[in-house]
Amino acid sequence: DSGVTQTPKHLITATGQRVTLRCSPRSGDLSVYWYQQSLDQGLQFLIQYYNGEERAKGNILERFSAQQFPDLHSELNLSSLELGDSALYFCASSVVEGAPTDTQYFGPGTRLTVL
Amino acid sequence: AQSVAQPEDQVNVAEGNPLTVKCTYSVSGNPYLFWYVQYPNRGLQFLLKYITGDNLVKGSYGFEAEFNKSQTSFHLKKPSALVSDSALYFCAVRVLTGANNLFFGTGTRLTVIP
Repeated sequence: DSGVTQTPKHLITATGQRVTLRCSPRSGDLSVYWYQQSLDQGLQFLIQYYNGEERAKGNILERFSAQQFPDLHSELNLSSLELGDSALYFCASSVVEGAPTDTQYFGPGTRLTVL
Repeated sequence: AQSVAQPEDQVNVAEGNPLTVKCTYSVSGNPYLFWYVQYPNRGLQFLLKYITGDNLVKGSYGFEAEFNKSQTSFHLKKPSALVSDSALYFCAVRVLTGANNLFFGTGTRLTVIP
């Protein structure tokens, strides 16, 4: 158990809908990363937050957004969902703001299925 | 720019035999390399990392990895494979700009045959 929690575990929804994925980082970790794992794209970095502020974006679609709250939990919002958004979404946390030597610890993921 | 290659999609090894999962990398500057394992219906679990120093890095569950700068490789190894080691293994390199996020390889599925 990494100490990173994600809810829900599974989410099934229809095209065009909007969903929210939630992540609680390990105690003491200030940095949260979101990744998407799909069969065709592999594991891709989406976005990073540090202590409530957005720090960097990766391959994140404009339909997707995220935020980190004062209690440091983070939410990933996916809107106007398409079939291709079906994937496993991971949250990872680390102590500091992305130091190269820092280890990221991953949550169990949320499996999103768009029908 | 950085990249990671895991040349083998699938590796099969007999239980008790040594295992190797290959990874090569390309980075500008110092490489910060990581191995993660993903069991079915589970998240990614951190195994080990190379930052600097000794080229042989020891990690969790008896795994180790050998950093080879001249060959730009960071192969994962274990002296004696267990059936429970069967999983998906990812090599990753740290991106040294922006978010310093992890850039992952495509993964290697390891199957340990009883």
